[in-house]
Amino acid sequence: AQSVTQPDIHITVSEGASLELRCNYSYGATPYLFWYVQSPGQGLQLLLKYFSGDTLVQGIKGFEAEFKRSQSSFNLRKPSVHWSDAAEYFCAALSGGYQKVTFGIGTKLQVIP
Amino acid sequence: NAGVTQTPKFQVLKTGQSMTLQCAQDMNHNSMYWYRQDPGMGLRLIYYSASEGTTDKGEVPNGYNVSRLNKREFSLRLESAAPSQTSVYFCASSEGRGAGGYTFGSGTRLTVV
Repeated sequence: AQSVTQPDIHITVSEGASLELRCNYSYGATPYLFWYVQSPGQGLQLLLKYFSGDTLVQGIKGFEAEFKRSQSSFNLRKPSVHWSDAAEYFCAALSGGYQKVTFGIGTKLQVIP
Repeated sequence: NAGVTQTPKFQVLKTGQSMTLQCAQDMNHNSMYWYRQDPGMGLRLIYYSASEGTTDKGEVPNGYNVSRLNKREFSLRLESAAPSQTSVYFCASSEGRGAGGYTFGSGTRLTVV
């Protein structure tokens, strides 16, 4: 079955430290891949997306993600975290030929001073 | 830029009551979606509409009905609310199948007592 796995439910980092959020997918072929961010009480906002081409994708708010086909992974990174990055982050995938996006369960990021 | 607008933002229902959640988008998107978000379960698709006049079931459609009133509006109806339907509901829209990502509304927090 198609699935998106985010192994870390909760991550705490210090402000200014680097960040990597993990995402693995299980699909027959490479799907469209996305990262979304959800601030408390808000809807989800698209950070970045990937389907083909350069495996390092730049997004908004200084985030980037790297696609690794061999590991079926699409990890989100940020070199230096700001307190305003505290939020929940969702990895998602859309398979070719389908209408429906599958979301991971999310990773909640806490940023400490 | 309104994007996707959901009403109401909060609602408390008694078991057995009915209500309709409203969603409207102003981006001329063809596709619209209803998701529910529950702790530890990520987002689960209830229903979607690939175009005006069509609707299809998602992962968790039981207990819900939808109407794609026109290209802009996609409503979700609970005919007889149950405590298991306590959740946060998100409407989203996309161009085509969503390869470019979704735009989400800010959500409706529904409590069924």
